[in-house]
Amino acid sequence: AQSVSQHNHHVILSEAASLELGCNYSYGGTVNLFWYVQYPGQHLQLLLKYFSGDPLVKGIKGFEAEFIKSKFSFNLRKPSVQWSDTAEYFCAVKPPYNQGGKLIFGQGTELSVKP
Amino acid sequence: EAGVTQFPSHSVIEKGQTVTLRCDPISGHDNLYWYRRVMGKEIKFLLHFVKESKQDESGMPNNRFLAERTGGTYSTLKVQPAELEDSGVYFCASSPDRDYGYTFGSGTRLTVV
Repeated sequence: AQSVSQHNHHVILSEAASLELGCNYSYGGTVNLFWYVQYPGQHLQLLLKYFSGDPLVKGIKGFEAEFIKSKFSFNLRKPSVQWSDTAEYFCAVKPPYNQGGKLIFGQGTELSVKP
Repeated sequence: EAGVTQFPSHSVIEKGQTVTLRCDPISGHDNLYWYRRVMGKEIKFLLHFVKESKQDESGMPNNRFLAERTGGTYSTLKVQPAELEDSGVYFCASSPDRDYGYTFGSGTRLTVV
């Protein structure tokens, strides 16, 4: 079945460590890609999105993601995490067949940053 | 601007009862989406409104779920009768354009006991 996969369910890092969260999808054709974050007790927020153009996308709070079409991947990165980055991160794809804006989400990755 | 508002934030009901969740989108956002996250699994699409019309309801689990969007403004999602497996967090999101990123509400945590 077509899907979105996030490789890690729970990642634990120390402050200042580098972060890379994996996301792979299985849809062919043109997709729109998103990373959302949910901080404890808050709503889902858009971190960044890719529709077209430069495959290296910069988002809020120092996050970036790289779209690699040949690998069907859209990994999220941050060079140096902070304790405040503790949250759950969701990769999402808008499949090419869907014109309505429906998103397919990955399972989520919980990030814990130790001070 | 005000965000997407959902209420209640939490609801605990007994199996067989009825619950109605409400979502107020950002004013002017024609697109309104409902999603659900059950038991720490992935967030799954339920349905999509464009104004008052259902554009896509392919994710609705069964006919115990009924969604409406009165006059293209707020939306309600009714579960009747509720079953244990309906427990989860129900998210609402809105966007001005279907190709735009969504703004999500804080979600309603539904627990069916």
